Amino acid sequence: DIQMTQSPSTLSASVGDRVTITCRASQSIDYWLAWYQQKPGKAPKLLISKASTLETGVPSRFSGSGSGTEFTLTISSLQPDDFATYYCQQYNSYSEISFGGGTKVEIK
Amino acid sequence: QVQLVESGGGVVQPGRSLRLSCAASGFPFSRYAMHWVRQAPGKGLEWVALISYHGSDKYYPDSVKGRLTISRDNSKNTLYLQMNSLRVEDTAIYYCAKVGGATYHHGLDVWGQGTTVTVSS
Repeated sequence: DIQMTQSPSTLSASVGDRVTITCRASQSIDYWLAWYQQKPGKAPKLLISKASTLETGVPSRFSGSGSGTEFTLTISSLQPDDFATYYCQQYNSYSEISFGGGTKVEIK
Repeated sequence: QVQLVESGGGVVQPGRSLRLSCAASGFPFSRYAMHWVRQAPGKGLEWVALISYHGSDKYYPDSVKGRLTISRDNSKNTLYLQMNSLRVEDTAIYYCAKVGGATYHHGLDVWGQGTTVTVSS
């Protein structure tokens, strides 16, 4: 099984901060990685697919990078609407899809 | 608009069965692979099942293999999850989600609102 490890698990930041979340895969997944945002009581929302492709309608302050086993999600200037939990997901092997444990972005 | 609406959740005793449904609208359902993803209370996301657009190919993690079965009826634009031999650890919100492209290699771009399954004696 491919394990996805996110860090940190919790992040405290202020509006305007640059925020980076890391996701590591236990083996290479090329660039088959997605990032999701989830707010309390809501379904996840797809932000980025294929490691760095921004979904339509997602603000440009979000960006993704990486390939192989190490990936990052960056929010260039944190906005009030961005306080949420973020998950990475690998889909390199569709017979064993897996998510990271999540990173909660809190208000500092 | 593009929409997925789950139903069928509820409270069930351990060992019993439940069938979840996911009604799709606003897109050509028969052209897309679909997933079920669950989230236990206060926990992260866990992939549960994947089905191809035609329904012939199905994939599961070991944690649910043999107990949960994904299926679809393209004539009714509906996805299903048959859950048998339910365990307390199956308690979660269950989401259906659409693959964002023509192959499996895409993120999940449309999600339902979720349906809650509680397994308790």
